[in-house]
Amino acid sequence: GAGVSQSPSNKVTEKGKDVELRCDPISGHTALYWYRQSLGQGLEFLIYFQGNSAPDKSGLPSDRFSAERTGGSVSTLTIQRTQQEDSAVYLCASSLSGFRAGSTLEQYFGPGTRLTVT
Amino acid sequence: AQSVAQPEDQVNVAEGNPLTVKCTYSVSGNPYLFWYVQYPNRGLQFLLKYITGDNLVKGSYGFEAEFNKSQTSFHLKKPSALVSDSALYFCAVRDREDSNYQLIWGAGTKLIIKP
Repeated sequence: GAGVSQSPSNKVTEKGKDVELRCDPISGHTALYWYRQSLGQGLEFLIYFQGNSAPDKSGLPSDRFSAERTGGSVSTLTIQRTQQEDSAVYLCASSLSGFRAGSTLEQYFGPGTRLTVT
Repeated sequence: AQSVAQPEDQVNVAEGNPLTVKCTYSVSGNPYLFWYVQYPNRGLQFLLKYITGDNLVKGSYGFEAEFNKSQTSFHLKKPSALVSDSALYFCAVRDREDSNYQLIWGAGTKLIIKP
């Protein structure tokens, strides 16, 4: 079946503009994660959705960042008033279920969206 | 606090030689451990995981990893490296008894296999 897809693959925007990044998880996966990866760096957790539960937004770096997940499937990450430090690759991942205690399910990643803020 | 260390930013290996990518971790309880690989301009791909049982875990593309509880390590290994193994490798951990679902990620190790 299809894997996790993300769009656009690349986005160049001017400082101060808003951007929307889209993630389409694997069908049937109830858990969805957004990460940010700066050049040569590890993964920075941003936000987590699990089914119909309230999302965990604890990783969002500022109130300019927000995310939605409609119908338990597609998710959009919105960055308002983009800054140059927002430039990074934004990765989306999904899994069959969230990492509750005792759960071991691995995450499946999309190819990412490379965001460049000029 | 949970943490993961990948002490080498880059590892260089000649094709055909064995390779090792190092990972050490710190959790308060028992760990779940994962390795992921990221090829250029691609997302991360799951390689293997340690849950319980045999300390030697086999995964995709001929990779394996050995869980060593006393040394709190989970090094990734392959007996004979291929040029196509060149990629960025990430180790991740979570505490089995922790209800926090987040994986803690290492900073990544760039593996370069030279022909």
